[in-house]
Amino acid sequence: EVQLVESGGDLVKPGGSLRLSCEVSGLTFSNAWMGWVRQAPGEGLEWVGRIKSKTDGGTTDYGTPVKGRFTITRDDSRDTLYLQMNSLKTEDTAVYYCTTDSLVRNIWGQGTLVTVSS
Amino acid sequence: DIVMTQSPDSLAVSLGERATINCKSSQSVLYSSTNENYLAWYQQKPGQPPKLLIYWASTRGSGVPDRFSGSGSGTDFTLTISSLQAEDVAVYYCQQYYSTPFSFGQGTKLELK
Repeated sequence: EVQLVESGGDLVKPGGSLRLSCEVSGLTFSNAWMGWVRQAPGEGLEWVGRIKSKTDGGTTDYGTPVKGRFTITRDDSRDTLYLQMNSLKTEDTAVYYCTTDSLVRNIWGQGTLVTVSS
Repeated sequence: DIVMTQSPDSLAVSLGERATINCKSSQSVLYSSTNENYLAWYQQKPGQPPKLLIYWASTRGSGVPDRFSGSGSGTDFTLTISSLQAEDVAVYYCQQYYSTPFSFGQGTKLELK
């Protein structure tokens, strides 16, 4: 069974930084394209970004509101995906979901809550 | 960026009746070389992550009941639930994956009448 487990969510002040992790099991992580999607409280889904497998170039793409502030990386030796968030704003408050960037095998974690507030 | 707009924002349907949700993209998501529409539908129940229902605009995901169907092409798409069941109460989102940044519609809340 494929499992994605996010961690690292916390309360952080505006302008601060935070790194989220997503541990993956049950699939060959190194071959997987992975992504992050967020959901502000009571709001809809917002695509944060994705990272391709290293075999496919390992390149990243980001949503417009987070480009230049957020960075997605992966550690294939640890089967772990990361989301480094810098210069956080109150509008970044959301549940952050890790997901496989795949149509045939589309799996989501349970999410981790990030709250940006003074 | 491609903007996705769903209608209606909310919908109340009786058990056993048909539910129809629309999604419009600000530009075509039909990739001409493959003749595929890069459009997906998700279902999200309270307290749960989203679940992929439909991709390529009309292909059902693994284990998705056949009462769910997707149609449309280019910029206009529809998700249809042929006979609403109680477990279908949820928020439904369309998403384009034609070009990054991938974008979601604002969601349609489906309730029981």
